[in-house]
Amino acid sequence: EILMTQSPAILPVSPGEGATLSCRASENINSNLAWYQQKPGQAPRLLFYGASTRATGIPGRFTGSGSGTEFTLTISGLQSEDFAIYYCQHYYIWPPRLGLFGGGTKVDIK
Amino acid sequence: EVQLVESGGGLVQPGGSLRLSCAASGFSFSNHWMSWVRQAPGKGLEWVAYIKKDGGERYYVDSVKGRFTVSRDNAKNSLYLQMNSLTVEDAAVYYCARATVTTHYYFDYWGQGTLVTVSS
Repeated sequence: EILMTQSPAILPVSPGEGATLSCRASENINSNLAWYQQKPGQAPRLLFYGASTRATGIPGRFTGSGSGTEFTLTISGLQSEDFAIYYCQHYYIWPPRLGLFGGGTKVDIK
Repeated sequence: EVQLVESGGGLVQPGGSLRLSCAASGFSFSNHWMSWVRQAPGKGLEWVAYIKKDGGERYYVDSVKGRFTVSRDNAKNSLYLQMNSLTVEDAAVYYCARATVTTHYYFDYWGQGTLVTVSS
């Protein structure tokens, strides 16, 4: 089973600053990675799939990158609505199967 | 507009059963894999079960195999999760999620969730 490790667990950031979140896979997953954002009391929202393809409606200040085992979610110029928990999840293309979610990174107001 | 509305959550005793439902609208339900994802209080996300478009394939996380059954009724645009032999570890918010499976596999729409509490 491929494990997904996110770091840091908590990331304090001041509004307007940038944030870099890491997701590491225990094995090579190519670019088969999705990122989700979850705000308190809300359902998760898709941010990226294919590691770097932005989902519909996601602002350009969000960037997904990486392949293989190392992935990064970068948020530039954090806005108040960006303080949330971010999860990565890998998947298998064929046959299509779901993989595990990472433990999440909480982006907190510094 | 895509909508997923879960129902059926509630308080149940350990060893009890619940059946969750998810009513889908605003898209071609029969063209999408569907999934249940849960989140225990203060914890992260965990996919519980997912089902192919025609119901022909179903997958479960190890911790629920033999206890939970995912099903769908494409004529009614509905997804279900029958949960038996519930334990306190099953207590969570259960989300219904639409999966888009092309050259990638991701959840592009989620319901607001239904809370399952397991307690005596």
